[in-house]
Amino acid sequence: SQTIHQWPATLVQPVGSPLSLECTVEGTSNPNLYWYRQAAGRGLQLLFYSVGIGQISSEVPQNLSASRPQDRQFILSSKKLLLSDSGFYLCAWSVQGSDTQYFGPGTRLTVL
Amino acid sequence: GENVEQHPSTLSVQEGDSAVIKCTYSDSASNYFPWYKQELGKRPQLIIDIRSNVGEKKDQRIAVTLNKTAKHFSLHITETQPEDSAVYFCAASGTGGSYIPTFGRGTSLIVHP
Repeated sequence: SQTIHQWPATLVQPVGSPLSLECTVEGTSNPNLYWYRQAAGRGLQLLFYSVGIGQISSEVPQNLSASRPQDRQFILSSKKLLLSDSGFYLCAWSVQGSDTQYFGPGTRLTVL
Repeated sequence: GENVEQHPSTLSVQEGDSAVIKCTYSDSASNYFPWYKQELGKRPQLIIDIRSNVGEKKDQRIAVTLNKTAKHFSLHITETQPEDSAVYFCAASGTGGSYIPTFGRGTSLIVHP
């Protein structure tokens, strides 16, 4: 069966520091991968999605970037964090050609 | 692009009552409508979904109905239990061949024992 992992689970970072969040999927090949952000008490904001290695689409202009160095690995990065980057970051995957998404356990980021 | 409106934003019921959450979508080309349940501090989990060639789907105490003409779909939970308390998100996808869902803003369901 398929499993999606995210780490770290929790992160506290100062303003201006860099960020790297990782997501990996097991048990499937060539998945679509997605990064969402959820501010406290709010909905799901799609940040990036990828349909293959090195293929990244950005939905929202911001100081974040994403990369997909391997088929089942998706990384969210920032060079300098802002206070507004605080939130719950969720990675999701779907089978190619399918619109059913499955979410990872998330990373709770607090920027101080 | 697609726009999904979800109502109500908060729903409070007594244990054993039924709960209904409604979503409307704007693009008639959307053809897939999932519902997710998110417990506090946890990930959203898919609980039921429906495609546009079906009008209703049931899974135990949960059902989803779809009205393509009116472009709305609803989640029905019967015999609610305290463990049903969570935030529920609807979504719509399929517009223009895209598999990227547009999510509603969520409904906080509170079931009082």
